Formats: sequence, C-alpha cells, structure tokens
Amino acid sequence: KQEVTQIPAALSVPEGENLVLNCSFTDSAIYNLQWFRQDPGKGLTSLLLIQSSQREQTSGRLNASLDKSSGRSTLYIAASQPGDSATYLCAVSGSARQLTFGSGTQLTVLP
Amino acid sequence: SAVISQKPSRDICQRGTSLTIQCQVDSQVTMMFWYRQQPGQSLTLIATANQGSEATYESGFVIDKFPISRPNLTFSTLTVSNMSPEDSSIYLCGGGLSSGNTIYFGEGSWLTVV
Repeated sequence: KQEVTQIPAALSVPEGENLVLNCSFTDSAIYNLQWFRQDPGKGLTSLLLIQSSQREQTSGRLNASLDKSSGRSTLYIAASQPGDSATYLCAVSGSARQLTFGSGTQLTVLP
Repeated sequence: SAVISQKPSRDICQRGTSLTIQCQVDSQVTMMFWYRQQPGQSLTLIATANQGSEATYESGFVIDKFPISRPNLTFSTLTVSNMSPEDSSIYLCGGGLSSGNTIYFGEGSWLTVV
C-alpha cells in the first residue's frame, strides 16, 4: 500500500526566504506526482504536476523535482511571501489516477 | 483546466439523518473521485465514481453508508447516510480530464454532525 510522508509538518520562515518542502513515497511505481495548496477553510488548488518520466516542473516561483527511484519529491519556493502561507500537500497517483496524499506541511511566511 | 462546484458548501446536520452532496464540473471528466478530510487530517479516498455503474469503494468505505451516483461525465453525488459525529469532515470531489493528468478539486463541503 502506498504511503506518502511530508516533512516538516510545519514551517515558519521570514518573508523573502527560499524554502524546500519534502515529500517521500514508499512505492516508486507511480504514474505522476502532484503538489497542491490548501488555504484554511478552502479546497485544494493544484500547483504542479510531474509525470513519472519527468525530473522537474516549474511554475513562477515554484519548482518541483521528482526522484522516482528514491521515492522523493521536493517543492522549492523562491522568495517567499506572506501570501504563500498555506498547507502544501503532496499526492502520488497510480495508474488508475487515484491520489494518495501526504499529511501536508503547514507553511507560515512572516512579514 | 476544470472548475468543480460543490453544494452545499457547509451544513450542520442532526445525528441519524442523511445528506447528499452534489459535484458539478464545467468540463467532461473521465475520472471523478470523492475524498474525505477529517479535522486535522489529510485526504482519504472514499471511492471512484463510475459513470453509469456502481462506484468503486476503498477499504473501510461501503455503499450503504456512502452511496454515490454519477449519471454523466460532469455530475456526481455523494450521500452520507445515518450520520454520526464521526462523519464530521470536509468532503471533496475531484475530477480529471481525458486530455491531461491533473486532478482538480472543488472547494469542499464542510459537514458538522451534532
């Protein structure tokens, strides 16, 4: 059974810092990996999707990497802003496209 | 991309009653999923909603408790039956287009059972 772990569970940084969120998964036979953002009281916003054949994806200040063989992904956020404060969720997909989620990293960016 | 709308967005329900949550997508999606997010927890897959046939349930979830319908490629419903306080959660609908692999989610339905 696939298990997804996210470290750290919570992170607090001053505005302007670059930061890295970590995600690991136990079964490397994934179809793709997706990073989401969840604001308090809201649903999920898709940030980036990395196909299993890809190594990284970039969108604006966000860069996600994937090392499928070691079961790891990182989400890099450059020049963090208070508006980046949210919970970030990593999820991996099998061939049936169901997502298995990690428990999330709660990010607080202090002004 | 796909925009997913859920109704109700929030509700307070009496123990023992049932509530049906609706999920409407603005595009035809090949895959639709229902997830539950209990307070302080991550998302757990309840079932995959299959068009015109019975949903595929994950271990620990049964049709009698969580009946699901999906009459077409843009709409699905999840009913939470005979609710107890343990059913207080956010219920999220997710969908995937045939043209890509991204799964999109709605804003969720926040249920509190008293």
